[in-house]
Amino acid sequence: DARVTQTPRDKVTEMGQEVTMRCQPILGHNTVFWYRQTMMQGLELLAYFRNRAPLDDSGMPKDRFSAEMPDATLATLKIQPSEPRDSAVYFCVEEKVGNYGYTFGSGTRLTVV
Amino acid sequence: QKEVEQNSGPLSVPEGAIASLNCTYSDRGSQSFFWYRQYSGKSPELIMSIYSNGDKEDGRFTAQLNKASQYVSLLIRDSQPSDSATYLCAVLIINTGTASKLTFGTGTRLQVTL
Repeated sequence: DARVTQTPRDKVTEMGQEVTMRCQPILGHNTVFWYRQTMMQGLELLAYFRNRAPLDDSGMPKDRFSAEMPDATLATLKIQPSEPRDSAVYFCVEEKVGNYGYTFGSGTRLTVV
Repeated sequence: QKEVEQNSGPLSVPEGAIASLNCTYSDRGSQSFFWYRQYSGKSPELIMSIYSNGDKEDGRFTAQLNKASQYVSLLIRDSQPSDSATYLCAVLIINTGTASKLTFGTGTRLQVTL
């Protein structure tokens, strides 16, 4: 199966800096989710898009997080300013059109020091 | 109450034994159920999906669903050391007009010992 590509793979940044994570969906997947995974909380849903339109971002701290899908080939998650508690692995997940398979991207491991 | 609950483990089973992983969910509107396997440092990968009550078998894996009890389980027969991983239960609620929401449990860590 084709892989969903996320960049960067690892990111270490200082508190207060802006962080942008990118996801390249596979064509034909029309729903894109952003999840965050930590040891304590597990996988938390941050936001999701259908056909590039945001459907729900209630899981996201709005004051510092923003998610966009400027075109069908790119989804972004931005944190500004970043805080140490944002340290986690961030996954982009796609829903396959026509069935209920959900494919995870490779993830971005974010460390905020 | 968490929407999807799993015992964090670790669950330790000897090689060749049956591993039984369990999951309960709170929303009776849940319609589809998935098991993901996640190796340390890797992304979760889908190993089983089940949509109706009963058992579904795929190789050494069997998923079991009981909607009345809001319970889903995964059995791994003839457990191998390569099965050692964290297993995530995921529950899908399909909403008309919006995207379906996939909610995950925190996972059960399985250790298969030699």
